[in-house]
Amino acid sequence: NAGVTQTPKFRVLKTGQSMTLLCAQDMNHEYMYWYRQDPGMGLRLIHYSVGEGTTAKGEVPDGYNVSRLKKQNFLLGLESAAPSQTSVYFCASSLDAGGQYWIYEQYFGPGTRLTVT
Amino acid sequence: AQKITQTQPGMFVQEKEAVTLDCTYDTSDPSYGLFWYKQPSSGEMIFLIYQGSYDQQNATEGRYSLNFQKARKSANLVISASQLGDSAMYFCAMREGNQAGTALIFGKGTTLSVSS
Repeated sequence: NAGVTQTPKFRVLKTGQSMTLLCAQDMNHEYMYWYRQDPGMGLRLIHYSVGEGTTAKGEVPDGYNVSRLKKQNFLLGLESAAPSQTSVYFCASSLDAGGQYWIYEQYFGPGTRLTVT
Repeated sequence: AQKITQTQPGMFVQEKEAVTLDCTYDTSDPSYGLFWYKQPSSGEMIFLIYQGSYDQQNATEGRYSLNFQKARKSANLVISASQLGDSAMYFCAMREGNQAGTALIFGKGTTLSVSS
């Protein structure tokens, strides 16, 4: 049981380049999230998904797109990378079943360190 | 206004001593959960402990306990008998409301350094 995995672990991009970060989970969770972590700050939500084929914006969605074509995968895309997108990106998933959703922890992947020069 | 406030950027403690990491929160929702995560230098986020807004007792998980004071809106993490491996960044986070898919709201974190 691998939990939540992220690919790649590290990436360096030049301004204007594009890339896709892949998140996969094997826990059959409906809910998946993309966060970014900047120095001196906690994690901030970029986009999230409440199920296959559905996505929604979080706190800091500008410059990113996402897709959830399969339940186990959640992709984060940068169409035209900017230096401001240099960050560590975390994917997470949660079960959120049966009501009382606030009780469910989120399981995090190991993170992707992205540098945009 | 910040929803999660961690006022201690850094804390220092000696091995085997107890340490308290502060966290205050702000919400008007009666249903919420409070979570603590540990982030070691390797970067992964490790879930430590959870406290629900309706829980009557403070949560405990091994050497971790959560001092939950609902009226003061505080949820401090207590680590007993600190170990060198406890050196890490610690984040307090909150999930609000009875809706699926809500995000965790994180504080800025506290860096804990444990010395021998």
